[in-house]
Amino acid sequence: QQPVQSPQAVILREGEDAVINCSSSKALYSVHWYRQKHGEAPVFLMILLKGGEQKGHEKISASFNEKKQQSSLYLTASQLSYSGTYFCGTGGIIQGAQKLVFGQGTRLTINP
Amino acid sequence: NAGVTQTPKFRILKIGQSMTLQCTQDMNHNYMYWYRQDPGMGLKLIYYSVGAGITDKGEVPNGYNVSRSTTEDFPLRLELAAPSQTSVYFCASSNRPEGQFFGPGTRLTVL
Repeated sequence: QQPVQSPQAVILREGEDAVINCSSSKALYSVHWYRQKHGEAPVFLMILLKGGEQKGHEKISASFNEKKQQSSLYLTASQLSYSGTYFCGTGGIIQGAQKLVFGQGTRLTINP
Repeated sequence: NAGVTQTPKFRILKIGQSMTLQCTQDMNHNYMYWYRQDPGMGLKLIYYSVGAGITDKGEVPNGYNVSRSTTEDFPLRLELAAPSQTSVYFCASSNRPEGQFFGPGTRLTVL
């Protein structure tokens, strides 16, 4: 079941904040967030695991509400470099591999 | 480290032709993945592998085959190409439980 992302698109001015949501109709064990710039490959941002553990290598924060089966990505004081399409992926671990289903994406545009 | 490399970058196929998309990673990752991404859409998992000799189907495996004889390489084979397989194909690799590193992609058009 594909997770649903909202909003589909958002336009901000540099310095403004954004929240991107990811909802699933199935129980969530982990949520993965990626950013993709036009014509490029997706880049890993963060993994949120059931139980509260988070792994990421960028200064981006996120929340994971297991009861509501939702995750939100928080982009504060946005920079021009934050522009791109953000995808959440949900799913389980099969023999250690991440078998993910990705949402349709949220397109974020940051203007000067 | 080159990371994840994919060849070719672009390819045009005629209906019914076959081809192999190559993927190599030099990070000694156990887990490798193939995705397709249609224009304006999210990523769909085609196949994945948990190690040399072990592969399994993802969300959209029909029309594709994979093999993994080494840790580094994970080729994707298209048999009897169809217009519905026009897409951008990404290969990725990871270690548990970290994020996936993606290759630059192969843009495939089937006419």
